[in-house]
Amino acid sequence: DGGITQSPKYLFRKEGQNVTLSCEQNLNHDAMYWYRQDPGQGLRLIYYSQIVNDFQKGDIAEGYSVSREKKESFPLTVTSAQKNPTAFYLCASASAGANTDTQYFGPGTRLTVL
Amino acid sequence: GNSVTQMEGPVTLSEEAFLTINCTYTATGYPSLFWYVQYPGEGLQLLLKATKADDKGSNKGFEATYRKETTSFHLEKGSVQVSDSAVYFCALLDTGRRALTFGSGTRLQVQP
Repeated sequence: DGGITQSPKYLFRKEGQNVTLSCEQNLNHDAMYWYRQDPGQGLRLIYYSQIVNDFQKGDIAEGYSVSREKKESFPLTVTSAQKNPTAFYLCASASAGANTDTQYFGPGTRLTVL
Repeated sequence: GNSVTQMEGPVTLSEEAFLTINCTYTATGYPSLFWYVQYPGEGLQLLLKATKADDKGSNKGFEATYRKETTSFHLEKGSVQVSDSAVYFCALLDTGRRALTFGSGTRLQVQP
């Protein structure tokens, strides 16, 4: 089955620790995205990548870092510099070309800082 | 910049009632518009989309029409079911960076 996987589903972190959230897709999509969702709010863009080895900051990139070494993978690191990291994190991907409009989402990772 | 405004929830309806969730947007040009649905503890699923003015997106009995005159993309369904209970997000595609700008979401609760 083609799709987007995120792991882990739940993640607990102590203050001061860095953690990495995994996002993998087998849809052969060029573009990948990370969004953050807080309770009762919409999604906000953290980072995005339109092509391998290239990525750009979104609206709330401070305290986060990413890499895009492979087309299939776009891991997100939540660093200790992120002041309030407890949230639901969603990864998405989209194809380039004629049908670039639609983004497909993974199941999400819920991060809790203890 | 771009923004999306949705009606606040929760919206509580009885089964078979008519549903409208309002969505208006502010953007440069005519971006593609989307409705996504989120079930508890899950990611977002695309419900429908429209890519140009006067387009109507439809799926699973839900419909929305791209109205450039009123910059709106209201979601409607003629007869809701308990299984439609979820959070619905309206979104537009930023044509520059090709990322989505979301509304805050509207929770729908359908009672039997």
